[in-house]
Amino acid sequence: EAQVTQNPRYLITVTGKKLTVTCSQNMNHEYMSWYRQDPGLGLRQIYYSMNVEVTDKGDVPEGYKVSRKEKRNFPLILESPSPNQTSLYFCASSLSGMGSQPQHFGDGTRLSIL
Amino acid sequence: GENVEQHPSTLSVQEGDSAVIKCTYSDSASNYFPWYKQELGKRPQLIIDIRSNVGEKKDQRIAVTLNKTAKHFSLHITETQPEDSAVYFCAALMDSNYQLIWGAGTKLIIKP
Repeated sequence: EAQVTQNPRYLITVTGKKLTVTCSQNMNHEYMSWYRQDPGLGLRQIYYSMNVEVTDKGDVPEGYKVSRKEKRNFPLILESPSPNQTSLYFCASSLSGMGSQPQHFGDGTRLSIL
Repeated sequence: GENVEQHPSTLSVQEGDSAVIKCTYSDSASNYFPWYKQELGKRPQLIIDIRSNVGEKKDQRIAVTLNKTAKHFSLHITETQPEDSAVYFCAALMDSNYQLIWGAGTKLIIKP
């Protein structure tokens, strides 16, 4: 089954404790992206990647890191999480490296930073 | 920076009536405009998209229109049904760096 898989789905942690949210897609998609979703603010892009070893900042990259060492994986790293990073996070992938194809979303990861 | 404005933020319509959501974008070079539907507690899913070389696209009860001169595009849902209740997002792809810019969303409520 074609899908985007995020882990974990839920995480409660404390300020400053490094965490990684994994994202994997099995569709051989070139374009991958991370979003955060907050009430009233819609979806805001954190980082995106057009292909392996190519990553770019989105609208809200501060406090986050990503890497794209393999085509299928695009982990989101919070080196020193803070409470303002409490949010719902979505990973998405798209066939075209230029993003001009439908994006397939994972089920989301709800992060709470205390 | 570039942005996409989406209106209204909330739209309530009677079941069976039509609903229209409008988006305006700032990057004149944008060439891909998708619409996503997000039901409560679920992931966003694409419902329709349009590219800059066409002015209108339809898929059953859903249609999207694009006016490149005015830099706006709209989602039209006809004969609305209870299952159309959701949050709808528009987006525009920036041609310069391939970043997808999103609107803030419209909560559509279908009244029985």
